[in-house]
Amino acid sequence: DSGVTQTPKHLITATGQRVTLRCSPRSGDLSVYWYQQSLDQGLQFLIQYYNGEERAKGNILERFSAQQFPDLHSELNLSSLELGDSALYFCASSVGRGGNTGELFFGEGSRLTVL
Amino acid sequence: GENVEQHPSTLSVQEGDSAVIKCTYSDSASNYFPWYKQELGKRPQLIIDIRSNVGEKKDQRIAVTLNKTAKHFSLHITETQPEDSAVYFCAAIQLIRMRFGAGTRLTVKP
Repeated sequence: DSGVTQTPKHLITATGQRVTLRCSPRSGDLSVYWYQQSLDQGLQFLIQYYNGEERAKGNILERFSAQQFPDLHSELNLSSLELGDSALYFCASSVGRGGNTGELFFGEGSRLTVL
Repeated sequence: GENVEQHPSTLSVQEGDSAVIKCTYSDSASNYFPWYKQELGKRPQLIIDIRSNVGEKKDQRIAVTLNKTAKHFSLHITETQPEDSAVYFCAAIQLIRMRFGAGTRLTVKP
């Protein structure tokens, strides 16, 4: 158990819909990262938050948005869903501000299926 | 753009043999190079990492080497076991610039 909690574990929805994925980081970790992993693909970095502020942005679509709340949990909002958005979405947390400050602890992922 | 190239994409070895996975990065400011292992259906987990002030690091059967001049680093697994079968990801990180390789699917045949 990494200490990072993601909900829901599985989600099936239709094209055009909107979903929200939730992540609770490890106790004490201030950074939250979101990654997208499509079938048999690598980890695509979407966005990072540190202590409530956006820290870094990767290949995140304009239809996607995220935020980190004062209690440090984070939500990833995916809207106007397309078939190609079907993927495993991982949240990871770390204690430091930068990705080079140490290990990323990944959650179990939220598997999104868009039909 | 700044990329991390990872090779090979698939690797099959016999149990007991060694496996080597190589990554090349382009951002010369990268200073932290972790390797993550992702078993089927599981989350990625850190197995070893190396910082730019070190050339080699070893942890039991796993070792990582870094050549900063050539901007490449490698993962070495010796005496492979079936439980080493997984997808391995390298990453090159400089503060907020973080890039993962595409992954290597390692299969260890008993």
